[in-house]
Amino acid sequence: GDSVTQMEGPVTLSEEAFLTINCTYTATGYPSLFWYVQYPGEGLQLLLKATKADDKGSNKGFEATYRKETTSFHLEKGSVQVSDSAVYFCALSDFGGSGGSNYKLTFGKGTLLTVNP
Amino acid sequence: DTEVTQTPKHLVMGMTNKKSLKCEQHMGHRAMYWYKQKAKKPPELMFVYSYEKLSINESVPSRFSPECPNSSLLNLHLHALQPEDSALYLCASSQWENQPQHFGDGTRLSIL
Repeated sequence: GDSVTQMEGPVTLSEEAFLTINCTYTATGYPSLFWYVQYPGEGLQLLLKATKADDKGSNKGFEATYRKETTSFHLEKGSVQVSDSAVYFCALSDFGGSGGSNYKLTFGKGTLLTVNP
Repeated sequence: DTEVTQTPKHLVMGMTNKKSLKCEQHMGHRAMYWYKQKAKKPPELMFVYSYEKLSINESVPSRFSPECPNSSLLNLHLHALQPEDSALYLCASSQWENQPQHFGDGTRLSIL
């Protein structure tokens, strides 16, 4: 079945540091890949997405590239801010996969990021 | 502001109570979802409605009863819940299958 593995953290950085959160996946069909962010006390917000190999998703200074050869979708940001402190979830939706449904999102376990001033 | 609105934001109920969670979206999305999220865990899918019909039930206990009155509304009826059902309940919607899901801010449910 489908699965997503991401570094669990927690990750603690100083403001303006470089961020990488690793995410790898296994899927049987043609997955779309997503990063969601959850700020304290809130629901999940879609941060960025990529629907096919070599696509680069970007938003708010965050980037991730869909790498089919390494089955990865690592999240990066060049200079983090205190306001980026949140939990980040990598997820996939497997269109045409053997998982049984094109509606299901498979999530990684989440990575807690704390950015200190 | 999220485009998926959930009410109430917080709910405390006893194990014998009956209550309902509500979710509304006006983006014209045809798929709507209920998730349960425990602290420090990813969301777990409970139900999916596609075109107002129940598409997926992830073996959820019958004390949770979903309802989709129309394409914009999704309810979750609760009855005889257990303390372990205390969690954040998230609603989401997507345009159709395999499209990004948009989440509400959730209802934080506590069972006494």
